[in-house]
Amino acid sequence: DAGITQSPRHKVTETGTPVTLRCHQTENHRYMYWYRQDPGHGLRLIHYSYGVKDTDKGEVSDGYSVSRSKTEDFLLTLESATSSQTSVYFCAISDSYGYTFGSGTRLTVV
Amino acid sequence: GQQLNQSPQSMFIQEGEDVSMNCTSSSIFNTWLWYKQDPGEGPVLLIALYKAGELTSNGRLTAQFGITRKDSFLNISASIPSDVGIYFCAGQRGYAGNNRKLIWGLGTSLAVNP
Repeated sequence: DAGITQSPRHKVTETGTPVTLRCHQTENHRYMYWYRQDPGHGLRLIHYSYGVKDTDKGEVSDGYSVSRSKTEDFLLTLESATSSQTSVYFCAISDSYGYTFGSGTRLTVV
Repeated sequence: GQQLNQSPQSMFIQEGEDVSMNCTSSSIFNTWLWYKQDPGEGPVLLIALYKAGELTSNGRLTAQFGITRKDSFLNISASIPSDVGIYFCAGQRGYAGNNRKLIWGLGTSLAVNP
């Protein structure tokens, strides 16, 4: 068990507010990823990190930023939430065998 | 972004039947992965394949890494109700930097009639 915790598990927020989602891992993995999952689109990569302070954009990064100041924490921020960002967000780590995912955060922007 | 071609999109089968799904790509991969996602949870790794031609089993699940490195299939034998879920394939080009990112199929939704 890679020990990945996402918080919060559920959140409802208003359009235009900033929102931060947290991913915490306990096993010192270097690579971490944020995905969003929407019906008909599968898993789409938002941002990823290959170490402390080393991050890069994925395919759907507009409107999102990330930070990784410690190995164990990877934060995803919606700078000004929009209804199109209503989704389920998954964090993942990459280890020797593949990716291990957290349980997800269901975000609703109203 | 690039996606894998995963088929079928959905399946509805009777308990006890065998299931087969596959993924194809226009480019080659060094690793193929198969995941299952239950409602309200993140995807969970079922089988990982690292070598062209490799055939790997995990209980009633069998997956193969295509010889061209551009495809993979997953078979489930004697399906049971708990096999219900969404199955995803994913390919990985390498293990460093950008190549470590996974390319995903859109999933196969499996329903099993008891």
